[in-house]
Amino acid sequence: AQKITQTQPGMFVQEKEAVTLDCTYDTSDQSYGLFWYKQPSSGEMIFLIYQGSYDEQNATEGRYSLNFQKARKSANLVISASQLGDSAMYFCAMRVQNAGNMLTFGGGTRLMVKP
Amino acid sequence: DADVTQTPRNRITKTGKRIMLECSQTKGHDRMYWYRQDPGLGLRLIYYSFDVKDINKGEISDGYSVSRQAQAKFSLSLESAIPNQTALYFCATSDPRDGGFNQPQHFGDGTRLSIL
Repeated sequence: AQKITQTQPGMFVQEKEAVTLDCTYDTSDQSYGLFWYKQPSSGEMIFLIYQGSYDEQNATEGRYSLNFQKARKSANLVISASQLGDSAMYFCAMRVQNAGNMLTFGGGTRLMVKP
Repeated sequence: DADVTQTPRNRITKTGKRIMLECSQTKGHDRMYWYRQDPGLGLRLIYYSFDVKDINKGEISDGYSVSRQAQAKFSLSLESAIPNQTALYFCATSDPRDGGFNQPQHFGDGTRLSIL
């Protein structure tokens, strides 16, 4: 079975500073993908970034980057230059090739950006 | 217009009622999903469909049923609603041509369902 753990229920960051949101995962499969989604207070789920298990370089997408450490089974999201609009819930999710196309989600981290 | 549209956006109903949540998409994706989110928790998969003739149970399918009426439409039904089905429900779509195995899922805005 697959499992995603997000150990930070809530975090504060000062505007314009960088912040790291932690995600660890557990799977025995070699082929998998890791995703981060943002959920603002309005409720919608917004796809941010993904990393494949065979990707050698860390994924980046604008101000988002994924710090992928395969041996440690971690896939932390780094947000650079935080903005007030980054305040939201952030979910880490994993898809394992041998488990069909199901995404397994972590419990989320609530990020609050202070002005 | 949104690519993935869920109706209704909010619904309050009583225990024992039959409820249908609808999802339609203009993305042309074959794969569609239904998730529920409970307060403070991540999403859990209820059902998913890889094409019109394909329906699969997810992690928490008990008490739910689905219908894939067309490529663009995927409905979720609660045959006899109970209070612990109060949650935020999301529909999502994906396309294996969009990144292959790492295809992202594109979510609707959610339906907030309250069962009294």
